Amino acid sequence: KNQVEQSPQSLIILEGKNCTLQCNYTVSPFSNLRWYKQDTGRGPVSLTIMTFSENTKSNGRYTATLDADTKQSSLHITASQLSDSASYICVVSESNYQLIWGAGTKLIIKP
Amino acid sequence: EPEVTQTPSHQVTQMGQEVILRCVPISNHLYFYWYRQILGQKVEFLVSFYNNEISEKSEIFDDQFSVERPDGSNFTLKIRSTKLEDSAMYFCATRAYIGTGELFFGEGSRLTVL
Repeated sequence: KNQVEQSPQSLIILEGKNCTLQCNYTVSPFSNLRWYKQDTGRGPVSLTIMTFSENTKSNGRYTATLDADTKQSSLHITASQLSDSASYICVVSESNYQLIWGAGTKLIIKP
Repeated sequence: EPEVTQTPSHQVTQMGQEVILRCVPISNHLYFYWYRQILGQKVEFLVSFYNNEISEKSEIFDDQFSVERPDGSNFTLKIRSTKLEDSAMYFCATRAYIGTGELFFGEGSRLTVL
């Protein structure tokens, strides 16, 4: 069964610290993997889209990695800011373009 | 920056009433989607729409739901007879092309069924 599992479920860190969020998936055949940021009560916003051949992709302080062999991805946030507090959702696209959504990691940045 | 707009932002309705949620996609986008998110839960796919017809739908999208693009701009989701469990945020999303096309989401319509 195609699944996307994210860890941790929630995370609290101090402002300025780095953190890494994990995503494991069993989706096959694989097309691409996306990370979204969702502020409470708002729509998801795309951070990165990675295809099979991409190992790393950065978007400002966000860096996503992808290991298609082990079916794992991570999202690293550098020098966290209060505005980074949100849910971060990993979404994997099958080759037929169906999107399989993870449950998200709720990140809280404390001053 | 182009954006997907949704109306209403919040609707409260009585169980059994019909509800129509509206979305204005980004102008050159061809693929349209409705998702819902029950409070505290993951985003769930409802339906995808391309070339004026449904291309995929989930188990959630039963006979109570329908979508249409009545005037070539608005993309609507209708729930014929709302149930308590329809209370959720409903997100419209659009993209220009399939594959790695970026998906742009609206800010959502919060539906509360009493």
